[in-house]
Amino acid sequence: DTAVSQTPKYLVTQMGNDKSIKCEQNLGHDTMYWYKQDSKKFLKIMFSYNNKELIINETVPNRFSPKSPDKAHLNLHINSLELGDSAVYFCASSQWGLYSSTDTQYFGPGTRLTVL
Amino acid sequence: AQSVAQPEDQVNVAEGNPLTVKCTYSVSGNPYLFWYVQYPNRGLQFLLKYITGDNLVKGSYGFEAEFNKSQTSFHLKKPSALVSDSALYFCAVRPESGSARQLTFGSGTQLTVLP
Repeated sequence: DTAVSQTPKYLVTQMGNDKSIKCEQNLGHDTMYWYKQDSKKFLKIMFSYNNKELIINETVPNRFSPKSPDKAHLNLHINSLELGDSAVYFCASSQWGLYSSTDTQYFGPGTRLTVL
Repeated sequence: AQSVAQPEDQVNVAEGNPLTVKCTYSVSGNPYLFWYVQYPNRGLQFLLKYITGDNLVKGSYGFEAEFNKSQTSFHLKKPSALVSDSALYFCAVRPESGSARQLTFGSGTQLTVLP
């Protein structure tokens, strides 16, 4: 059983296009995240949603728009793709307790986006 | 702001030898500390975490990490390395509480275990 899944696994597209990446988790978690991993493997959080509400929004171009239709899904839509958007995008989920020791994030397999 | 430093980009160790991957952190208040491993073309897998209590934390695949508050360190260790341990290892930190509870990751350490 896949805990956190992402589609597609690979995405190759032209500059200027609009694309979406989908994420689903079946862990019953209430918080989901999007991370970007650049070519140097540096991992940086982009967004986080808790119970469908945005709680973390790091400095990310507004071409990136997350959408959470329900607690189990967090999709990432990217408008007007640029060369610099090429990266691996990871979705993750966790249970966001107030002082919860279970706040461990579980990651999806990643989506490798290549912008030509 | 919280931060994590992994001072070694690359660690090489012979199979069967002990390994250490270093991590130091900076955070306001008490830290929650995590180690993740990333195999090629895969997502991050959780290895272990320190929340409170015993400074020596045991995790998956025989890994353990030691929390040292005075040195603000959380080094990952394994007594006997396997070739299959070769991967990219990330240390991460977040504060125990507060609004800014997102994980901050280090830059990663590539571990290569030589047969």
